[in-house]
Amino acid sequence: DAMVIQNPRYQVTQFGKPVTLSCSQTLNHNVMYWYQQKSSQAPKLLFHYYDKDFNNEADTPDNFQSRRPNTSFCFLDIRSPGLGDAAMYLCATSRLVAYNEQFFGPGTRLTVL
Amino acid sequence: DQQVKQNSPSLSVQEGRISILNCDYTNSMFDYFLWYKKYPAEGPTFLISISSIKDKNEDGRFTVFLNKSAKHLSLHIVPSQPGDSAVYFCAASTANFGNEKLTFGTGTRLTIIP
Repeated sequence: DAMVIQNPRYQVTQFGKPVTLSCSQTLNHNVMYWYQQKSSQAPKLLFHYYDKDFNNEADTPDNFQSRRPNTSFCFLDIRSPGLGDAAMYLCATSRLVAYNEQFFGPGTRLTVL
Repeated sequence: DQQVKQNSPSLSVQEGRISILNCDYTNSMFDYFLWYKKYPAEGPTFLISISSIKDKNEDGRFTVFLNKSAKHLSLHIVPSQPGDSAVYFCAASTANFGNEKLTFGTGTRLTIIP
């Protein structure tokens, strides 16, 4: 089945220790998104890629970076995680057409100690 | 600034009855609206959508209604089933081709009581 895969599902890191979350997709979608979702809050868009064209949200902290080496893979790098970065991180994909839904992966739950 | 609001954090409905989930938005530029369903430990899955040129869209047991003048949409599930117990997110986007970003509400947890 075509899908969006996120690894790992659970990640524990120490305060200030860099961490990388990964996302892969078999849908061959042009667009990939990274969202942060904290408890009882709405998913918040961090950035997205149209193919290799990177688009950062204005309020995404510099601590968060992303890489998309090819169509299938996208990475979220948190350079110096703080306690406030503990959250669920969701990857999503969509086709580059108007009025199209996004397909989400299962998410990675990040814990910062 | 919460542009998409789901004011009911939770809702309990008896099996077989109608579930109505509500969503309000403030940005008049939004013209495409989606509902996502989320089970624990899974990502959101797309449920149903509606564009602003319509006021109703139906898919099986699920119907979404849009009232543009009130900036309000609702999701009706009838009849409600135990498998419908999940968190439901309302999302909105603008007609900006190449910039299809979704703005989400905070979700409503629906519990279907057998």
